[in-house]
Amino acid sequence: DTEVTQTPKHLVMGMTNKKSLKCEQHMGHRAMYWYKQKAKKPPELMFVYSYEKLSINESVPSRFSPECPNSSLLNLHLHALQPEDSALYLCASSQDLRGTREKLFFGSGTQLSVL
Amino acid sequence: AQSVTQLGSHVSVSEGALVLLRCNYSSSVPPYLFWYVQYPNQGLQLLLKYTSAATLVKGINGFEAEFKKSETSFHLTKPSAHMSDAAEYFCAVSGFGNEKLTFGTGTRLTIIP
Repeated sequence: DTEVTQTPKHLVMGMTNKKSLKCEQHMGHRAMYWYKQKAKKPPELMFVYSYEKLSINESVPSRFSPECPNSSLLNLHLHALQPEDSALYLCASSQDLRGTREKLFFGSGTQLSVL
Repeated sequence: AQSVTQLGSHVSVSEGALVLLRCNYSSSVPPYLFWYVQYPNQGLQLLLKYTSAATLVKGINGFEAEFKKSETSFHLTKPSAHMSDAAEYFCAVSGFGNEKLTFGTGTRLTIIP
């Protein structure tokens, strides 16, 4: 199994809602990542988890809250988002943090629309 | 810090023609360079990577790239374009000891039948 699975594929939420994005991999990878991608732009790194501990937070607003319950799962909790947060949210994983020299495996993403 | 510049946000080639997508890098340490492809409504997939071994790197789907230190370039090529190559292509860089992968702005490749 070489897949990174993200759910849901599409999400529409209001600015007062609370929702969560989920990401799962069963490749035994110990590093997991959240990226945000606006239309026609490159992915922007948000968070990196290494061995289930938060390793990098790219100064992301607190309305985005990541969680890594175990080595296979990565969540992104959303609360009080703004319309400008509408984007494709991509999860990725790698063997470990040296994955930036190796290979990132990406999920297909969650297309988020904030109304 | 590392960065990459992709020349040409949109490239169109005829089916069967040579594909050339340009990427120049800037890095204060020996770089690790990558090309990723993104098909519509999908995540990114690694095409190939350079990690200081051979300067000519072969990837999937017939793509290859050559690392040229003197030109600080890592251009992506394919001898004969196929309709299925239509996608967004991202060049990316990281450095030894750097946990971050920095992407270029992307090049949208269109194949003309």
